[in-house]
Amino acid sequence: DIQMTQSPPSLSASLGETVSIECRASEDIYSNLAWYQQKSGKSPQLLIYYASSLQDGVPSRFSGSGSGTQYSLKISGMQPEDEGVYYCLQGSKYPYTFGAGTKLELK
Amino acid sequence: EVQLVESGGGLVQPGRSMKLSCAASGFTFSDYYMAWVRQAPKKGLEWVASISYEGSSTYYGDSVKGRFTISRDNAKSTLYLQMNSLRSEDTATYYCARPSVYYPAGWFAYWGQGTLVTVSS
Repeated sequence: DIQMTQSPPSLSASLGETVSIECRASEDIYSNLAWYQQKSGKSPQLLIYYASSLQDGVPSRFSGSGSGTQYSLKISGMQPEDEGVYYCLQGSKYPYTFGAGTKLELK
Repeated sequence: EVQLVESGGGLVQPGRSMKLSCAASGFTFSDYYMAWVRQAPKKGLEWVASISYEGSSTYYGDSVKGRFTISRDNAKSTLYLQMNSLRSEDTATYYCARPSVYYPAGWFAYWGQGTLVTVSS
């Protein structure tokens, strides 16, 4: 199975700060990676798919990059509504696997 | 508008069975792979299973393989998850999810509200 190592487990950012979250796959996943945001008590929301494509309706301050085994999500200018837990998911090979999550809080 | 509505959760004893349903609307159900994703209390997301358009191909996570069965009824636009030999570690909110694209992918753009399954004596 493909293991997804996500870092950091948590971070705190100030309003307007740029933050980055990383995911490393245990093997090449050929950009078959998605990023999700989950707010407390809510269902996850798709932010980025195929490593760098922005899902419709998602603010442009969210961006994804990476290839091979290394991927990252960047939020350019932290907003209060960006608080939540972020997960990566590899969809290259079954079983699909999520990263452990990154809890993002506003400082 | 795409809607996914899960049902069938509740309290069940260890070793017993339970069947979850997900009623889909707002799209042509048979055009999409479908999936179940779960989340234990205060824990992360875990992909559980996926199923192909007509149900001929199914895929499972290691922790549920051999115990859970994903199925679908395209005539009823409904996805199912039959859960047997339930364990305490299966306690979670179970989400039904649909990809944003017609081919199998891990980009689940649509999610239900989730149904809570509690396995306890």
